[in-house]
Amino acid sequence: QSALTQPASVSGSPGQSVTISCTGTSSDVGRYYYVSWYQQHPGKAPKLIIYDVSKRPSGVSNRFSGSKSGNTASLTISGLQTEDEADYYCSSYTTSSPYVFGAGTKVTVL
Amino acid sequence: QITLKESGPTLVKPTQTLTLTCSFSGFSLSTGGVGVGWIRQPPGKALEWLALIYWDDDQRYCPSLKTRLTITKDTSKNQVVLTMTNMDPVDTATYYCAHRRQWVNAFDIWGQGTMVTVS
Repeated sequence: QSALTQPASVSGSPGQSVTISCTGTSSDVGRYYYVSWYQQHPGKAPKLIIYDVSKRPSGVSNRFSGSKSGNTASLTISGLQTEDEADYYCSSYTTSSPYVFGAGTKVTVL
Repeated sequence: QITLKESGPTLVKPTQTLTLTCSFSGFSLSTGGVGVGWIRQPPGKALEWLALIYWDDDQRYCPSLKTRLTITKDTSKNQVVLTMTNMDPVDTATYYCAHRRQWVNAFDIWGQGTMVTVS
């Protein structure tokens, strides 16, 4: 089972929007609506910010939104803030296991 | 309020078996749809899902590590135990346990993690 493909890094200025892609295959992202996204600050445990492609857990800012098209899921952070600087991981259900994670994307706020 | 905490050795030798315990509160692992999973993260690297146990004792494993992993639960003690055999230096990582949200395929609450070094 291969990790999902994410860009190593993305960056943006405060107030801008950034989008992180998560590319899988027809056996994972393309087949199921079970894509989730996690935010991880240095030295901290991951935090769930999106599940089921586009749903936000209670308490998560609506500046975070998710979507999916074909084998690629996306996380968009709008109105970028300094506290959004972190690593972001996507995850998907697959035909062979409940979870596979992406390689992670570092978001830098310029 | 759901909390989880990992415990176990910080240092293991190559070829030894690692045993980690996840102690949790705020939910019952006998509630339908709930699960507890283990995820690890080598220093500076990505998350890797290892194993998951569901409320009904169904166990799932990362295909590439399946032969080395065993996950069990003790509902009365609110604990989940992960064992990993034949440890290698590449298994050095922070190991997290996490709560699988009821009927949702995502981990909504994570423990603080425990660092395990294989040397």
